[in-house]
Amino acid sequence: KQEVTQIPAALSVPEGENLVLNCSFTDSAIYNLQWFRQDPGKGLTSLLLIQSSQREQTSGRLNASLDKSSGRSTLYIAASQPGDSATYLCAVSPSGGATNKLIFGTGTLLAVQP
Amino acid sequence: GAVVSQHPSRVICKSGTSVKIECRSLDFQATTMFWYRQFPKQSLMLMATSNEGSKATYEQGVEKDKFLINHASLTLSTLTVTSAHPEDSSFYICSGSSSGGPTGELFFGEGSRLTVL
Repeated sequence: KQEVTQIPAALSVPEGENLVLNCSFTDSAIYNLQWFRQDPGKGLTSLLLIQSSQREQTSGRLNASLDKSSGRSTLYIAASQPGDSATYLCAVSPSGGATNKLIFGTGTLLAVQP
Repeated sequence: GAVVSQHPSRVICKSGTSVKIECRSLDFQATTMFWYRQFPKQSLMLMATSNEGSKATYEQGVEKDKFLINHASLTLSTLTVTSAHPEDSSFYICSGSSSGGPTGELFFGEGSRLTVL
């Protein structure tokens, strides 16, 4: 059974710092891995999608890497801003199925202090 | 990205009543939609996969007779919580894919917070 874990569970950093969020998954048989942002009481905003054949994706100040063989992904946020404060979720789409259902991690609650 | 709309965003109901939540894909057709549930301070748990024109596929431990899912068109899926009880209070989120298949990116609705008194 696929399990997704995120470390740390919570993180507080001063504005301007670069930071790394970690995600690990137990089964490397995945179609893709996706990083999301969730603001309190809100839905999810997709940040980056990495297909299983890819090693990284970049969007603005965000960079996500994927090492499928070791079951790890990292989300790198450069020059953090208070507006980056949110919960960050990673999710994997297990391969072998006909649909792209996602298994979510436990999330990292990020607070960027001004 | 593609837009998914959920309604209502918040609903409060009495124990024993039924509540319907709608999920619409506004600018794409979604053959498959997914329903997730999120309890406070926990991650999202997949409840069921909703397939247009056919029966939904439920995850282990999810009661299909309690959580009725209908996917009558390519742009609308509904989740009905029947005979709701306080333990059903949760944040329900739907998602859909614009590209289909197992590798497409998923887009999520804003979620619906259900409170059962």
